[in-house]
Amino acid sequence: SQQGEEDPQALSIQEGENATMNCSYKTSINNLQWYRQNSGRGLVHLILIRSNEREKHSGRLRVTLDTSKKSSSLLITASRAADTASYFCATEIIQGAQKLVFGQGTRLTINP
Amino acid sequence: ETGVTQSPTHLIKTRGQQVTLRCSSQSGHNTVSWYQQALGQGPQFIFQYYREEENGRGNFPPRFSGLQFPNYSSELNVNALELDDSALYLCASNPDFPSGDTQYFGPGTRLTVL
Repeated sequence: SQQGEEDPQALSIQEGENATMNCSYKTSINNLQWYRQNSGRGLVHLILIRSNEREKHSGRLRVTLDTSKKSSSLLITASRAADTASYFCATEIIQGAQKLVFGQGTRLTINP
Repeated sequence: ETGVTQSPTHLIKTRGQQVTLRCSSQSGHNTVSWYQQALGQGPQFIFQYYREEENGRGNFPPRFSGLQFPNYSSELNVNALELDDSALYLCASNPDFPSGDTQYFGPGTRLTVL
C-alpha cells in the first residue's frame, strides 16, 4: 500500500502562475524526495530534503518538510509549459533495504 | 541523463509466460532497486540488491526474482505472468547502502501481459 498521499490529484494552471503540491506520509522517514515523470516514462529526481531540514530550494523549486505533521509541499514558481508532468513525493525508509515509498502523484498541467 | 539504462523499452507477453528485464546501473553503484508502476499509480518497491545479495523485499510474491552482477548490471525475472503484472518496471541505483542519497532511475520497461 502507498504510504504517501498527494493533494491535489490533478492541478491545472496558467503559464506563469505558481503551482503547489502537498504530500502527507505516515511513518518516520530518513528523507523525502520529489520526482517528476513525463508521459509514463522514467522518474527524474528534483530535490531531496532530509528529515532534519525544514526547507530547501533548487532553482524555481521550493520544498518544505514538517516532520511533526508528517507533510511536505513542493512549490514551482513561474510555471512553464515544460513543467507539465506528474509529480511524486517519495519517502525513504530503511527497513533492511533502503526503499522509496511513493504517493499516487499529482498530475500538473500548465496551460499556455 | 541518469546513466541508468533499461532494456527492452517495451515488451508484450502472454499469461503464464516468463520474462526477464535488464538494467545497467552507473559504474560504481553497488545498490539497485526495482519498482513496479501500474497505470495511474505511484511506483511500488519490489526488492533491492546490494553487492549481489537481496537485502530487502516489498510485498511481491516469490515469482518475482532478481539477480545483480559484478559489472553493475541486474535482472528482474517474473515467472507465471498474470494480467496484473502489466506495468512500467523501473530500476534505480545509488552508490552505496545505506547512502541516504538520490536514487537514479532508468527510463523503464513497459510490460504488457495479454
